[in-house]
Amino acid sequence: GAGVSQSPSNKVTEKGKDVELRCDPISGHTALYWYRQSLGQGLEFLIYFQGNSAPDKSGLPSDRFSAERTGGSVSTLTIQRTQQEDSAVYLCASSGQARALDTQYFGPGTRLTVL
Amino acid sequence: GENVEQHPSTLSVQEGDSAVIKCTYSDSASNYFPWYKQELGKGPQLIIDIRSNVGEKKDQRIAVTLNKTAKHFSLHITETQPEDSAVYFCAARGGFKTIFGAGTRLFVKA
Repeated sequence: GAGVSQSPSNKVTEKGKDVELRCDPISGHTALYWYRQSLGQGLEFLIYFQGNSAPDKSGLPSDRFSAERTGGSVSTLTIQRTQQEDSAVYLCASSGQARALDTQYFGPGTRLTVL
Repeated sequence: GENVEQHPSTLSVQEGDSAVIKCTYSDSASNYFPWYKQELGKGPQLIIDIRSNVGEKKDQRIAVTLNKTAKHFSLHITETQPEDSAVYFCAARGGFKTIFGAGTRLFVKA
């Protein structure tokens, strides 16, 4: 596709509910990254995929967070039993490879609000 | 752990003036340093990057400098315009993981 797309753009949910956030990377990009951006803050790394594998999940804040990627393309970030502190913008990025010098291209993000 | 410090957190300049944002990184293995611009409601967009084997890079009104010995790198924007107003993030990468600075909110006053 033309760029990284994410859906939904906005999600409002009640505390304790589960949410799923979707990322469609640039076509052909094998590496995919998830970040969290709290209000007025920088980007916090969550997880990355090389193909369908996630070599490093250490950035996930708790076991309520999980992510998967199927077919080497679309990825879903799932947050179970949401808490108010989960409110943030969740950004997805993709790059050609998960190599150090590959540029990451970001999607517009999903703004999650937990009431 | 790895850390990137970015200063200032807020910067206000008059249109036409220059703006400088400075970053310091801790991981000596870092060898790629991108800069991103984020406008309200949008994801970060790459504006310029520099590799560790280069000390300076320029693209029109934007330049970056890198001092690997001191682990410092900086973004310079000359002849600033109102549309340069945004949040700018520096980042450092040494493997698969990119560590971002906290961001600088730049205001360019017309």
